[in-house]
Amino acid sequence: SAVISQKPSRDICQRGTSLTIQCQVDSQVTMMFWYRQQPGQSLTLIATANQGSEATYESGFVIDKFPISRPNLTFSTLTVSNMSPEDSSIYLCSVGDRLHYEQYFGPGTRLTVT
Amino acid sequence: AQKITQTQPGMFVQEKEAVTLDCTYDTSDQSYGLFWYKQPSSGEMIFLIYQGSYDEQNATEGRYSLNFQKARKSANLVISASQLGDSAMYFCAMREEYSSASKIIFGSGTRLSIRP
Repeated sequence: SAVISQKPSRDICQRGTSLTIQCQVDSQVTMMFWYRQQPGQSLTLIATANQGSEATYESGFVIDKFPISRPNLTFSTLTVSNMSPEDSSIYLCSVGDRLHYEQYFGPGTRLTVT
Repeated sequence: AQKITQTQPGMFVQEKEAVTLDCTYDTSDQSYGLFWYKQPSSGEMIFLIYQGSYDEQNATEGRYSLNFQKARKSANLVISASQLGDSAMYFCAMREEYSSASKIIFGSGTRLSIRP
Protein backbone atom coordinates (compact mmCIF):
# COMPACT_ATOMS: atom_id res chain seq x y z
CA SER A 1 0.00 0.00 0.00
CA ALA A 2 1.08 3.58 -0.61
CA VAL A 3 2.28 5.70 2.28
CA ILE A 4 1.38 9.34 1.95
CA SER A 5 2.69 12.23 4.00
CA GLN A 6 1.46 15.79 4.03
CA LYS A 7 3.05 18.98 5.28
CA PRO A 8 2.05 20.93 7.24
CA SER A 9 -0.29 18.83 9.35
CA ARG A 10 -2.08 21.98 10.47
CA ASP A 11 -1.73 25.72 10.23
CA ILE A 12 -3.43 28.90 11.27
CA CYS A 13 -3.20 31.63 8.66
CA GLN A 14 -4.25 35.22 8.26
CA ARG A 15 -6.81 36.10 5.63
CA GLY A 16 -5.33 37.33 2.39
CA THR A 17 -2.23 35.14 2.67
CA SER A 18 -1.40 31.90 0.84
CA LEU A 19 -0.42 28.46 2.07
CA THR A 20 1.27 25.69 0.11
CA ILE A 21 0.53 22.12 1.15
CA GLN A 22 2.92 19.36 0.18
CA CYS A 23 2.03 15.76 -0.55
CA GLN A 24 4.72 13.08 -0.75
CA VAL A 25 4.10 9.46 -1.76
CA ASP A 26 6.50 6.59 -1.17
CA SER A 27 5.94 5.14 -4.65
CA GLN A 28 5.38 6.45 -8.15
CA VAL A 29 1.76 7.12 -9.00
CA THR A 30 0.09 8.37 -12.13
CA MET A 31 -2.64 10.47 -10.63
CA MET A 32 -2.81 12.44 -7.44
CA PHE A 33 -6.05 13.91 -6.19
CA TRP A 34 -6.66 16.88 -3.92
CA TYR A 35 -9.78 16.99 -1.76
CA ARG A 36 -11.26 19.55 0.57
CA GLN A 37 -13.35 18.72 3.60
CA GLN A 38 -15.09 21.69 5.12
CA PRO A 39 -16.13 21.43 8.78
CA GLY A 40 -18.85 18.84 9.23
CA GLN A 41 -18.98 18.11 5.52
CA SER A 42 -17.99 15.35 3.16
CA LEU A 43 -14.97 15.33 0.88
CA THR A 44 -15.10 17.37 -2.29
CA LEU A 45 -12.62 16.86 -5.09
CA ILE A 46 -10.69 20.00 -5.95
CA ALA A 47 -8.55 18.75 -8.80
CA THR A 48 -6.71 15.83 -10.33
CA ALA A 49 -2.98 16.21 -10.88
CA ASN A 50 -1.23 14.25 -13.59
CA GLN A 51 2.52 14.50 -13.84
CA GLY A 52 3.65 16.58 -16.77
CA SER A 53 0.34 18.22 -17.54
CA GLU A 54 -1.98 20.85 -16.16
CA ALA A 55 -4.22 19.80 -13.32
CA THR A 56 -7.87 19.19 -14.07
CA TYR A 57 -10.16 21.21 -11.81
CA GLU A 58 -13.66 20.33 -10.71
CA SER A 59 -16.57 22.69 -11.08
CA GLY A 60 -16.33 25.48 -8.55
CA PHE A 61 -12.55 25.36 -8.22
CA VAL A 62 -10.16 27.48 -10.27
CA ILE A 63 -6.45 27.44 -10.83
CA ASP A 64 -5.95 31.02 -9.63
CA LYS A 65 -7.31 30.10 -6.22
CA PHE A 66 -5.87 26.57 -5.96
CA PRO A 67 -2.74 26.30 -8.10
CA ILE A 68 -1.29 22.82 -8.17
CA SER A 69 2.15 21.58 -9.08
CA ARG A 70 3.11 18.03 -9.97
CA PRO A 71 6.83 18.04 -10.71
CA ASN A 72 7.31 14.27 -10.53
CA LEU A 73 5.52 10.99 -9.90
CA THR A 74 5.85 11.07 -6.12
CA PHE A 75 5.16 14.68 -5.18
CA SER A 76 2.54 17.38 -5.54
CA THR A 77 1.68 20.70 -3.95
CA LEU A 78 -1.60 22.52 -3.53
CA THR A 79 -1.60 26.24 -2.80
CA VAL A 80 -4.58 27.93 -1.22
CA SER A 81 -4.30 31.52 -2.38
CA ASN A 82 -5.68 34.75 -0.96
CA MET A 83 -7.29 32.86 1.87
CA SER A 84 -10.54 33.75 3.56
CA PRO A 85 -12.21 32.14 6.60
CA GLU A 86 -14.32 30.07 4.20
CA ASP A 87 -11.15 28.23 3.20
CA SER A 88 -10.86 26.77 6.69
CA SER A 89 -10.97 23.05 5.96
CA ILE A 90 -9.06 19.84 5.96
CA TYR A 91 -7.15 19.38 2.71
CA LEU A 92 -6.31 15.80 1.77
CA CYS A 93 -4.27 14.37 -1.00
CA SER A 94 -5.05 10.95 -2.36
CA VAL A 95 -3.51 8.45 -4.73
CA GLY A 96 -4.70 5.34 -6.46
CA ASP A 97 -2.85 2.05 -6.41
CA ARG A 98 -1.61 1.25 -9.90
CA LEU A 99 -2.10 -2.48 -9.58
CA HIS A 100 -5.12 -2.68 -7.35
CA TYR A 101 -8.27 -0.83 -6.63
CA GLU A 102 -7.36 0.84 -3.39
CA GLN A 103 -7.39 4.58 -3.02
CA TYR A 104 -5.21 5.93 -0.24
CA PHE A 105 -5.39 9.20 1.59
CA GLY A 106 -2.81 11.29 3.30
CA PRO A 107 -3.33 12.35 6.92
CA GLY A 108 -4.67 15.73 5.84
CA THR A 109 -3.77 19.35 6.52
CA ARG A 110 -6.05 21.21 8.92
CA LEU A 111 -6.20 24.82 7.86
CA THR A 112 -7.75 27.57 9.91
CA VAL A 113 -8.01 31.04 8.42
CA THR A 114 -8.56 33.93 10.80
CA ALA B 1 -23.38 12.24 -13.67
CA GLN B 2 -22.47 9.97 -10.81
CA LYS B 3 -23.98 10.54 -7.40
CA ILE B 4 -23.76 8.91 -3.97
CA THR B 5 -26.57 9.22 -1.41
CA GLN B 6 -26.33 8.42 2.28
CA THR B 7 -29.67 9.08 3.95
CA GLN B 8 -28.66 8.48 7.55
CA PRO B 9 -26.86 11.52 8.97
CA GLY B 10 -26.43 9.83 12.34
CA MET B 11 -26.98 6.47 13.99
CA PHE B 12 -26.76 5.15 17.54
CA VAL B 13 -26.13 1.46 18.08
CA GLN B 14 -25.61 -0.64 21.19
CA GLU B 15 -22.19 -2.22 21.50
CA LYS B 16 -21.97 -5.78 20.07
CA GLU B 17 -25.01 -5.28 17.86
CA ALA B 18 -24.79 -5.36 14.08
CA VAL B 19 -25.36 -2.15 12.16
CA THR B 20 -26.20 -1.39 8.54
CA LEU B 21 -25.22 1.90 6.95
CA ASP B 22 -27.17 2.73 3.83
CA CYS B 23 -25.73 3.88 0.53
CA THR B 24 -27.35 4.28 -2.87
CA TYR B 25 -25.62 5.43 -6.00
CA ASP B 26 -26.39 6.59 -9.48
CA THR B 27 -24.24 6.10 -12.53
CA SER B 28 -24.68 5.37 -16.20
CA ASP B 29 -21.43 3.43 -16.36
CA GLN B 30 -21.29 -0.35 -16.39
CA SER B 31 -17.86 -0.46 -14.82
CA TYR B 32 -17.48 1.18 -11.46
CA GLY B 33 -16.20 0.58 -7.97
CA LEU B 34 -17.77 1.26 -4.61
CA PHE B 35 -15.86 2.06 -1.45
CA TRP B 36 -16.49 2.56 2.21
CA TYR B 37 -14.19 4.70 4.34
CA LYS B 38 -14.10 5.35 8.05
CA GLN B 39 -13.08 8.73 9.39
CA PRO B 40 -12.47 8.88 13.16
CA SER B 41 -12.19 12.18 14.97
CA SER B 42 -8.50 12.32 14.10
CA GLY B 43 -9.52 13.07 10.53
CA GLU B 44 -7.69 10.30 8.72
CA MET B 45 -9.52 8.43 6.00
CA ILE B 46 -9.36 4.68 6.59
CA PHE B 47 -10.23 2.39 3.71
CA LEU B 48 -12.62 -0.36 4.82
CA ILE B 49 -13.95 -2.29 1.86
CA TYR B 50 -14.33 -2.28 -1.92
CA GLN B 51 -16.86 -3.77 -4.32
CA GLY B 52 -16.42 -3.86 -8.07
CA SER B 53 -19.52 -3.65 -10.23
CA TYR B 54 -18.74 -6.97 -11.88
CA ASP B 55 -18.00 -8.78 -8.63
CA GLU B 56 -20.68 -11.40 -8.13
CA GLN B 57 -19.89 -12.01 -4.50
CA ASN B 58 -20.44 -9.43 -1.80
CA ALA B 59 -17.15 -8.11 -0.46
CA THR B 60 -16.15 -8.94 3.08
CA GLU B 61 -13.27 -7.72 5.22
CA GLY B 62 -13.29 -9.03 8.76
CA ARG B 63 -16.29 -7.54 10.54
CA TYR B 64 -17.21 -5.47 7.49
CA SER B 65 -19.32 -6.69 4.64
CA LEU B 66 -20.84 -4.86 1.73
CA ASN B 67 -24.39 -5.75 0.77
CA PHE B 68 -24.26 -5.04 -2.96
CA GLN B 69 -27.59 -4.95 -4.79
CA LYS B 70 -26.75 -3.88 -8.30
CA ALA B 71 -30.29 -3.68 -9.66
CA ARG B 72 -31.30 -1.42 -6.80
CA LYS B 73 -28.02 0.50 -6.99
CA SER B 74 -27.34 0.09 -3.33
CA ALA B 75 -24.12 -0.73 -1.50
CA ASN B 76 -24.86 -0.91 2.20
CA LEU B 77 -22.11 -1.46 4.74
CA VAL B 78 -22.76 -4.02 7.44
CA ILE B 79 -20.65 -3.99 10.58
CA SER B 80 -21.08 -7.08 12.71
CA ALA B 81 -20.55 -7.12 16.47
CA SER B 82 -19.98 -3.38 16.76
CA GLN B 83 -17.27 -2.06 19.07
CA LEU B 84 -16.78 1.26 20.79
CA GLY B 85 -13.91 1.97 18.41
CA ASP B 86 -16.34 1.86 15.51
CA SER B 87 -17.68 5.26 16.51
CA ALA B 88 -16.75 7.51 13.59
CA MET B 89 -17.97 9.06 10.36
CA TYR B 90 -18.50 6.59 7.55
CA PHE B 91 -18.41 7.60 3.91
CA CYS B 92 -19.64 5.68 0.92
CA ALA B 93 -17.80 6.53 -2.30
CA MET B 94 -17.80 5.58 -5.95
CA ARG B 95 -15.31 5.56 -8.74
CA GLU B 96 -16.46 5.22 -12.30
CA GLU B 97 -14.27 2.79 -14.20
CA TYR B 98 -11.92 0.40 -12.55
CA SER B 99 -8.86 2.54 -13.14
CA SER B 100 -7.10 3.95 -10.14
CA ALA B 101 -6.52 7.03 -12.30
CA SER B 102 -10.21 7.88 -12.05
CA LYS B 103 -11.55 10.16 -9.37
CA ILE B 104 -13.67 9.08 -6.43
CA ILE B 105 -16.73 10.96 -5.29
CA PHE B 106 -18.16 10.73 -1.79
CA GLY B 107 -21.54 10.64 -0.15
CA SER B 108 -22.44 12.98 2.67
CA GLY B 109 -21.52 10.50 5.36
CA THR B 110 -23.13 8.83 8.37
CA ARG B 111 -21.97 9.50 11.91
CA LEU B 112 -22.08 6.24 13.83
CA SER B 113 -22.06 6.28 17.60
CA ILE B 114 -21.68 3.06 19.57
CA ARG B 115 -23.24 2.99 23.03
CA PRO B 116 -21.52 0.88 25.74
